[in-house]
Amino acid sequence: SAVISQKPSRDICQRGTSLTIQCQVDSQVTMMFWYRQQPGQSLTLIATANQGSEATYESGFVIDKFPISRPNLTFSTLTVSNMSPEDSSIYLCSVSDPRTTEAFFGQGTRLTVV
Amino acid sequence: AQSVTQPDIHITVSEGASLELRCNYSYGATPYLFWYVQSPGQGLQLLLKYFSGDTLVQGIKGFEAEFKRSQSSFNLRKPSVHWSDAAEYFCAVAPGGGADGLTFGKGTHLIIQP
Repeated sequence: SAVISQKPSRDICQRGTSLTIQCQVDSQVTMMFWYRQQPGQSLTLIATANQGSEATYESGFVIDKFPISRPNLTFSTLTVSNMSPEDSSIYLCSVSDPRTTEAFFGQGTRLTVV
Repeated sequence: AQSVTQPDIHITVSEGASLELRCNYSYGATPYLFWYVQSPGQGLQLLLKYFSGDTLVQGIKGFEAEFKRSQSSFNLRKPSVHWSDAAEYFCAVAPGGGADGLTFGKGTHLIIQP
């Protein structure tokens, strides 16, 4: 199993500002994933982040709004740029174990934009 | 593209009664199938998964799920629910198992009546 730590756990931000969320894994992983869970909704995949290459974004998500870094095999960041109240969500980092197909999730970052 | 349907937004069950949560998926082949549970303020926990073999899979906390190819379903069951089972339950699919991000259903909110 993998243990995933996310920082911050929650934040309240002013509209128009940006927030960078950090994700640290206790083991080396090839692929990391970022999800968004809007209030009362399910999880939606934002992007897949591979070390050493550009992140791959899902339909409806763009790099200018959600830039992602993946500097090594245990760490990634997601930035939510130029925030608006519609960006208020829980953002979750995830990694998967290709041997077992199991995905592990961080506790999430609860973002409120005012 | 794959999709997941959880037709029941809310389900109320009496403590000690049996439970079945429905999940239908849409995908060209048999995907990897998962059930996750999200308790209030908690992260996502994997209950069970299926990708091949016996179509009845056992998970943690006394849960089981049955894969039915003919119905494109992967319903979650528990013979006797406990008050601690109150949570949000998500069905998810992944075409390539651990190598792909997950597509989640909208979730079913389980309420346990005393």
